[in-house]
Amino acid sequence: AQSVSQHNHHVILSEAASLELGCNYSYGGTVNLFWYVQYPGQHLQLLLKYFSGDPLVKGIKGFEAEFIKSKFSFNLRKPSVQWSDTAEYFCAAIMIYNQGGKLIFGQGTELSVKP
Amino acid sequence: DGGITQSPKYLFRKEGQNVTLSCEQNLNHDAMYWYRQDPGQGLRLIYYSQIVNDFQKGDIAEGYSVSREKKESFPLTVTSAQKNPTAFYLCASSIVGGLSGYTFGSGTRLTVV
Repeated sequence: AQSVSQHNHHVILSEAASLELGCNYSYGGTVNLFWYVQYPGQHLQLLLKYFSGDPLVKGIKGFEAEFIKSKFSFNLRKPSVQWSDTAEYFCAAIMIYNQGGKLIFGQGTELSVKP
Repeated sequence: DGGITQSPKYLFRKEGQNVTLSCEQNLNHDAMYWYRQDPGQGLRLIYYSQIVNDFQKGDIAEGYSVSREKKESFPLTVTSAQKNPTAFYLCASSIVGGLSGYTFGSGTRLTVV
């Protein structure tokens, strides 16, 4: 069955540290990939997305992600985190196999940034 | 402003009662979705609808029901058959197919006591 896995459940960093959150998907066909963020008490917001083309995509708030097809991965990175990045991060994928795509989410990674 | 409105934000119900969660969108999206969010499990798809008067079960549809009588509205009923209904429920919408991603509402936190 198609699935999305996030390996880190809870990450704790100090401000200015670099961030990398892992995401892998299990599907051999074409995928559209997304990272969403959920700040405390707020709704899900789209950070960035990858459909095709340059595998390095840049999103809002200084985040970027790299699609590595051979590794079925779409890791999220930020060179220097801030306290305001404290949130839960979700990787998601639409495995394209018919006209209707269902967005499948990973388990989420809670990021805590210490000031 | 276009968006998705979920109401109420917090909902309390007694065990054994059915409860309906509201979801309205003014984005002119054809497709709408209901997800359930539980700590450590991410978001799991309950039901989705690609067009008015049609909907399909997602991965965890048991104990839930939906209707799609209008393009703008996709209410979710949590029935007494749902064994563990206390959760955070998120509604989303997208263009047909949803390949470019979804827009999410702010969610309803349901607590059953």
